[in-house]
Amino acid sequence: EAQVTQNPRYLITVTGKKLTVTCSQNMNHEYMSWYRQDPGLGLRQIYYSMNVEVTDKGDVPEGYKVSRKEKRNFPLILESPSPNQTSLYFCASSLVGTSGANVLTFGAGSRLTVL
Amino acid sequence: QQQVKQSPQSLIVQKGGISIINCAYENTAFDYFPWYQQFPGKGPALLIAIRPDVSEKKEGRFTISFNKSAKQFSLHIMDSQPGDSATYFCAASANTGFQKLVFGTGTRLLVSP
Repeated sequence: EAQVTQNPRYLITVTGKKLTVTCSQNMNHEYMSWYRQDPGLGLRQIYYSMNVEVTDKGDVPEGYKVSRKEKRNFPLILESPSPNQTSLYFCASSLVGTSGANVLTFGAGSRLTVL
Repeated sequence: QQQVKQSPQSLIVQKGGISIINCAYENTAFDYFPWYQQFPGKGPALLIAIRPDVSEKKEGRFTISFNKSAKQFSLHIMDSQPGDSATYFCAASANTGFQKLVFGTGTRLLVSP
């Protein structure tokens, strides 16, 4: 089954304790992206990657890191989490075409609480 | 800066009624306008999309209406059902090669039985 898999799905942590949310896709997609979803703010892009070793900041990158060492994986790293990073996180992927029709496949989400 | 403005933030519709969600944009380079549907506990998934060369696209009970001159597009859900209760996001992307999607803030739809 074509899918984007995120782990963990739920996590409660404390301020300053480094954590990584993993994301893996099995569709051979070049493009991968991380979003956070907050009430009233919708989906805001954190980081994205157009291909292996190519990453770029989205709209809200502060406090986050990413890496793209393999095509299928795109982990999100919070080096020193803070309570304002409490949110619902989504990983998404798509093919990179030239038609302009960017059809994203999303993971099921990771709910993070930082105390 | 919100490039795609979506309204309302929440919507309650009775079963069988019409649900209407509106979006507006400023960037005239946008030429692909999808709607994503998100059920509780799930990630968003593509529902329906339109290009500006047509004013309307219909798929079952879901219709996108597009007004290029007003830079607005809307999602209409006819004969709304409780199973349509979800969060809906409009989005847009530009036409120059691969461009990332810009999302609206979402509308939480509740269809009452």
